[in-house]
Amino acid sequence: AQSVTQPDIHITVSEGASLELRCNYSYGATPYLFWYVQSPGQGLQLLLKYFSGDTLVQGIKGFEAEFKRSQSSFNLRKPSVHWSDAAEYFCAVADNYGQNFVFGPGTRLSVLP
Amino acid sequence: GAVVSQHPSRVICKSGTSVKIECRSLDFQATTMFWYRQFPKQSLMLMATSNEGSKATYEQGVEKDKFLINHASLTLSTLTVASAHPEDSSFYICSASGTSGGTDTQYFGPGTRLTVL
Repeated sequence: AQSVTQPDIHITVSEGASLELRCNYSYGATPYLFWYVQSPGQGLQLLLKYFSGDTLVQGIKGFEAEFKRSQSSFNLRKPSVHWSDAAEYFCAVADNYGQNFVFGPGTRLSVLP
Repeated sequence: GAVVSQHPSRVICKSGTSVKIECRSLDFQATTMFWYRQFPKQSLMLMATSNEGSKATYEQGVEKDKFLINHASLTLSTLTVASAHPEDSSFYICSASGTSGGTDTQYFGPGTRLTVL
């Protein structure tokens, strides 16, 4: 069965600083990987996903993520954080049909002015 | 992109009341719908998976008699929390899966906040 870890429970960065959120997964085959963002009291918004092909994936809102099979990682990055990026971020892995989602515990991002 | 709606967005009820939450795929046919529960400051946990016209498959530890799921059409699934109690208070999120360009993926609804008094 697949599993996901997000080592950082809470990260605080200053506005304009770069950001990297870590995600490690465990899955026996090639995974489908996702990053979602959730603002307080809201549903999930898909930032980006990786199915195959180029291991550097571009998403919405200036986010990108890189799939590294050797490290079983799919870290999310943004070169310059905006105050509106403060939210909870979830990494998820699915099987090779895009089903059976398993979510990581989430990383809460705070942004200092 | 694909849109999934949930209704209601928020419900407050008395203990012992049954509550129905609807999940609709607005612009695509959802062959499979998923129901998740999210407790405060926690991640999403899959409760059950339903395929249109079939009985739902529940995850271990989820009471099928308490969380009744009906997936009557390719655009609608309902979750009924039977005789809700305060410990059922949570954020319930549905997702719907269809085939888009040959790749299935899940599209998430905005969630329903249930508060049981």
